[in-house]
Amino acid sequence: QQQVKQSPQSLIVQKGGISIINCAYENTAFDYFPWYQQFPGKGPALLIAIRPDVSEKKEGRFTISFNKSAKQFSLHIMDSQPGDSATYFCAASYSGNTPLVFGKGTRLSVIA
Amino acid sequence: NAGVTQTPKFRVLKTGQSMTLLCAQDMNHEYMYWYRQDPGMGLRLIHYSVGEGTTAKGEVPDGYNVSRLKKQNFLLGLESAAPSQTSVYFCASSDSNSPLHFGNGTRLTVT
Repeated sequence: QQQVKQSPQSLIVQKGGISIINCAYENTAFDYFPWYQQFPGKGPALLIAIRPDVSEKKEGRFTISFNKSAKQFSLHIMDSQPGDSATYFCAASYSGNTPLVFGKGTRLSVIA
Repeated sequence: NAGVTQTPKFRVLKTGQSMTLLCAQDMNHEYMYWYRQDPGMGLRLIHYSVGEGTTAKGEVPDGYNVSRLKKQNFLLGLESAAPSQTSVYFCASSDSNSPLHFGNGTRLTVT
């Protein structure tokens, strides 16, 4: 049973465009939703995270949108750059520092 | 400050051989985790530890054992390697006030 479903598997975006990656979760007890970015040969690194008390969080060109009623959250990358080309993972967990459950990842390619 | 260090970086094993992957963190984190990453499967939790001397099973624990004898180290053992254990293994650590910090992975091939 996959607790966090991520789409699309891969995404190609023109430089300067908007990249959108979606995730849906099943467990309503989840209350922490991070996004991780992974470059080839490296471990994932935290990009941005949100808790369900807000519907949106923005950090620079990266925004998380959160829809509690639909049990969905998404990552938007504005003005996408070739340096954003990486694999992105959404994840979820609930209070008590329980282990994160990850989506299957989205490979983003930003082309000039 | 090295963060999370994994050794070795690469390893090739024959079916049936055993090995231990070592993870060390220097951030004094309480929690440590082992994940495996396979194409199209994302990151799946193998085992984790919420403190020195404690371990717990994750989503895919079969064929692996772990030990957390010291707070800064978390060992992942494969007693009898199988081709299905060919993967990239990531160790991570965290505490109640920090997100997961990952190492750079160990790429294991079992032939």
